[in-house]
Amino acid sequence: LAKTTQPISMDSYEGQEVNITCSHNNIATNDYITWYQQFPSQGPRFIIQGYKTKVTNEVASLFIPADRKSSTLSLPRVSLSDTAVYYCLVGATMDTGRRALTFGSGTRLQVQP
Amino acid sequence: ETGVTQTPRHLVMGMTNKKSLKCEQHLGHNAMYWYKQSAKKPLELMFVYNFKEQTENNSVPSRFSPECPNSSHLFLHLHTLQPEDSALYLCASSQGGSGGELFFGEGSRLTVL
Repeated sequence: LAKTTQPISMDSYEGQEVNITCSHNNIATNDYITWYQQFPSQGPRFIIQGYKTKVTNEVASLFIPADRKSSTLSLPRVSLSDTAVYYCLVGATMDTGRRALTFGSGTRLQVQP
Repeated sequence: ETGVTQTPRHLVMGMTNKKSLKCEQHLGHNAMYWYKQSAKKPLELMFVYNFKEQTENNSVPSRFSPECPNSSHLFLHLHTLQPEDSALYLCASSQGGSGGELFFGEGSRLTVL
């Protein structure tokens, strides 16, 4: 499965847009990119998943360039409650049913007032 | 509420005790997982079950013994653990055959004295 690399931590202020980039140089043709959010002492929660270009839902956007060797999770206008660890996973495929199960170290986002 | 319930939420045990962690999912999923999350470490996948059959054992020591009596229930039996086994144990479920999301429980915080 593709190895992912993310910044260890990021700081932001309330109301700002936050972009977290994940590198996955050896992503396979059929791999999807999935992002999770985890609060302390809770299980991770699915945020968004994409394959290419751009995906947007009610909480985030996911930008994937044409070469798919990286992806960027964009959180618009963050609030204090967005303080969490964000994980990028690569390897889920719709056609074979194989899913991304390996979590990396994640990015710890701290939002300040 | 994610539809995945774990009990107990907190457990303290001695190294010679035998205890069990329980996970129940109410989502109709057919795949279930155990993860371990130690302090300052990424989530580690321990076991995967699909339709009650174990499909992955990620080199977990035999002092951890999983049991999956049906697609809705998953247990982790603990025996003669070590202090370094103290961690947050997370259960997750998913709908098999697709690359979609994992649904996590809130975890069982285990302390081994």
